[in-house]
Amino acid sequence: GQQLNQSPQSMFIQEGEDVSMNCTSSSIFNTWLWYKQDPGEGPVLLIALYKAGELTSNGRLTAQFGITRKDSFLNISASIPSDVGIYFCAGQPRGSGGTSYGKLTFGQGTILTVHP
Amino acid sequence: NAGVTQTPKFRILKIGQSMTLQCTQDMNHNYMYWYRQDPGMGLKLIYYSVGAGITDKGEVPNGYNVSRSTTEDFPLRLELAAPSQTSVYFCASTLEGRPTQYFGPGTRLLVL
Repeated sequence: GQQLNQSPQSMFIQEGEDVSMNCTSSSIFNTWLWYKQDPGEGPVLLIALYKAGELTSNGRLTAQFGITRKDSFLNISASIPSDVGIYFCAGQPRGSGGTSYGKLTFGQGTILTVHP
Repeated sequence: NAGVTQTPKFRILKIGQSMTLQCTQDMNHNYMYWYRQDPGMGLKLIYYSVGAGITDKGEVPNGYNVSRSTTEDFPLRLELAAPSQTSVYFCASTLEGRPTQYFGPGTRLLVL
């Protein structure tokens, strides 16, 4: 099946630093999503992207839908301790929509640790 | 509006035992999903449902069964628990045509 390669696998940063992570695929995606998972909880949706080139912000978070439609990026500015968690990218392949029944492909996750 | 709820939160099973993981959503979502999460592996789709009475296999269905008798509930059944089924299980839901899935808090299962 399709795979998403998410990098880096983990990051250790100081509070106040900016963070960048990305997700790449060998096939084209129609939709890109970014989720955050706090320890012991389920993933929570951060940002959804629907068009190639789209740049969307949610507070200190900014995500972009790559022009090639095969990648996406998430940036976190001025990190704080509560940014700790696992960040997942997820995509819905091209040609899907109703026929894919909303199924998503997930990346392996980026584990973020923020030192105060 | 509780969203997606899952029970139990944690369970220890012996090899060969069976159990049902419960999932309920109160958002009137017609699409529901079961995932398992293993360390460093992301989320793998086990089964999904597009409405009451309609279910289909995902990427890793072996060893599991599901049913969908109502819009709200989507239980996952393990018939003969195996150590390989030790994992964290998440239920999710969404509306038809919307890719934005909403997740429950998860069930942590340990099979010994």
